[in-house]
Amino acid sequence: ILNVEQSPQSLHVQEGDSTNFTCSFPSSNFYALHWYRWETAKSPEALFVMTLNGDEKKKGRISATLNTKEGYSYLYIKGSQPEDSATYLCAFGNDMRFGAGTRLTVKP
Amino acid sequence: EPEVTQTPSHQVTQMGQEVILRCVPISNHLYFYWYRQILGQKVEFLVSFYNNEISEKSEIFDDQFSVERPDGSNFTLKIRSTKLEDSAMYFCASREPSGIGANVLTFGAGSRLTVL
Repeated sequence: ILNVEQSPQSLHVQEGDSTNFTCSFPSSNFYALHWYRWETAKSPEALFVMTLNGDEKKKGRISATLNTKEGYSYLYIKGSQPEDSATYLCAFGNDMRFGAGTRLTVKP
Repeated sequence: EPEVTQTPSHQVTQMGQEVILRCVPISNHLYFYWYRQILGQKVEFLVSFYNNEISEKSEIFDDQFSVERPDGSNFTLKIRSTKLEDSAMYFCASREPSGIGANVLTFGAGSRLTVL
């Protein structure tokens, strides 16, 4: 993988569902992996910075894991709420290259 | 809470004109970035800047683009001769040089550029 890839591109879930999505990145020369949340008409907001293999971070209902050896990170949202609707971006490397994002829509 | 401010919020220009987008990063931040997002596409890295020089730049950041820190506060992106495909939302971001916040980018609200 030469670039940062995110999947799925979009996701529609019902309120209360738990969901997860993936960020894949080059596994060599790992520096740091970032997750950002981006709501429409706002600027991206930092969620997590992950630096160590096996890292697991949590903020409320949102958590993230990191596997630097295989080059992926998962973002989990437990009990999705409509206010979780946003695009979730991951960024990789010292120059902060972003993936295309996963657009999450949570229906009430 | 400290924030990154960008001006203008929206600029409309004619193809071939020069445009300067301005950013005021958070005062103790020393790393600065420009990104853009063409409507419906992903956020793309343009350039990073540290210690008064470009650290890294992407393939998008060609000779038409330049960045400058003309004084202690502003960080500008100049597009010399705009093209239609330069129409996008341009985001400035900054981060601390070290410490807990060193890896976290703070973004501005963006400048929308429309090239006609």
